[in-house]
Amino acid sequence: EIVLTQSPDFQSVTPKEKVTITCRASQSIGSGLHWYQQKPDQSPKLLIKYASQSFSGVPSRFSGSGSGTDFTLTINSLEAEDAATYYCHQSTSLPFTFGGGTKVEIK
Amino acid sequence: EVQLVESGGGLIQPGGSLRLSCAASGFTVSSNYMSWVRQAPGKGLEWVSVIYSGGNTFYADSVKGRFTISRDNSKNTLYLQMNSLRAEDTAVYYCAYSGSIGPGSVDYWGQGTLVTVSS
Repeated sequence: EIVLTQSPDFQSVTPKEKVTITCRASQSIGSGLHWYQQKPDQSPKLLIKYASQSFSGVPSRFSGSGSGTDFTLTINSLEAEDAATYYCHQSTSLPFTFGGGTKVEIK
Repeated sequence: EVQLVESGGGLIQPGGSLRLSCAASGFTVSSNYMSWVRQAPGKGLEWVSVIYSGGNTFYADSVKGRFTISRDNSKNTLYLQMNSLRAEDTAVYYCAYSGSIGPGSVDYWGQGTLVTVSS
């Protein structure tokens, strides 16, 4: 099973700051890595698919990069509405797996 | 517009069975890759099972042999039959749509249905 390790677990950020979340896979997964945002009491929402492809309707301040084992989600100029937990997910190898999540709090 | 509406959750005793349903609209379930993902209270997301458009099914080790994913093409509905339920199966269960190309990203999620396993 491929283990996805996210860092940091928690981040407190002021509005307009840049946020960087990393996801490291225990073995190479090519570009089969996706990012989701989950706000309290809501279902997750897709932000980035296949490492760097923005999903329809997602604000341009969200971007993804990486391949192989190291991936990054970047939020440029954080807004108050971005307070949420962010998860990475790999679909390259069964069983599919999720990272443990990164909670982003607005200062 | 893709819509997923789960139902069937509730309180069930350990060892019991429950069947979750996911009524889909805006697309054809049988032509797409569909999954179940769960989230225990206060915890992260856990992939549970996937059914490919061709009918192949796969499971997380934690549920293999106890859970069965299936679909009813006439009702355009996805199911998760859960047997021999344990306390650690307590979670919100989400129905997840990945599209027709492959079991990649989850493009759309249902609202979730809560399953509580407790005596």
